[in-house]
Amino acid sequence: ILNVEQSPQSLHVQEGDSTNFTCSFPSSNFYALHWYRWETAKSPEALFVMTLNGDEKKKGRISATLNTKEGYSYLYIKGSQPEDSATYLCAWDSGNTPLVFGKGTRLSVIA
Amino acid sequence: DAMVIQNPRYQVTQFGKPVTLSCSQTLNHNVMYWYQQKSSQAPKLLFHYYDKDFNNEADTPDNFQSRRPNTSFCFLDIRSPGLGDAAMYLCATSRRRRASNQPQHFGDGTRLSIL
Repeated sequence: ILNVEQSPQSLHVQEGDSTNFTCSFPSSNFYALHWYRWETAKSPEALFVMTLNGDEKKKGRISATLNTKEGYSYLYIKGSQPEDSATYLCAWDSGNTPLVFGKGTRLSVIA
Repeated sequence: DAMVIQNPRYQVTQFGKPVTLSCSQTLNHNVMYWYQQKSSQAPKLLFHYYDKDFNNEADTPDNFQSRRPNTSFCFLDIRSPGLGDAAMYLCATSRRRRASNQPQHFGDGTRLSIL
């Protein structure tokens, strides 16, 4: 069974703190790694699609890195704001099968 | 403007009573997906359509069926809902179903409750 693991499952941070969380995926048969942000009562929104080992992508205060050889990606949020509160999902694209999602990391930013 | 629209947002049905969830898209994407997501679990792919080609996941119960009458619409039919089918159902679209550097586009989901 090829699993995608995310950690931690949930975390609470104070407004202004920076934080990061992890997505682990099978390092074999890698094509792409997706990150989505899913706010309550809204649709999951794509943040990044990463394909190259060593890739780093940035969107405002959010950035992500990718290590395909060891099978992990980090998502960083700098200076967390209450509007960053959401579940962050990663998904692995092997190139041969549909996306496999992790369970997500639920982030709560306390004002 | 929403590009993937799911209706209804909330659906309550009785145990065993058939229910249909709908999804429409304005993106003209080839692929449409249905996911089931239970609390604190990963979204689980039920099936997807690549154009008119239906692809069922091996562990999707027979109780779940889908229809795609045209490019824009896709339906999820649950023939005899059980208590274990209470979940969030997400519809998504993409141009390609795999080996793509483009993300999927999701609707807001339908929260299904079973009485």
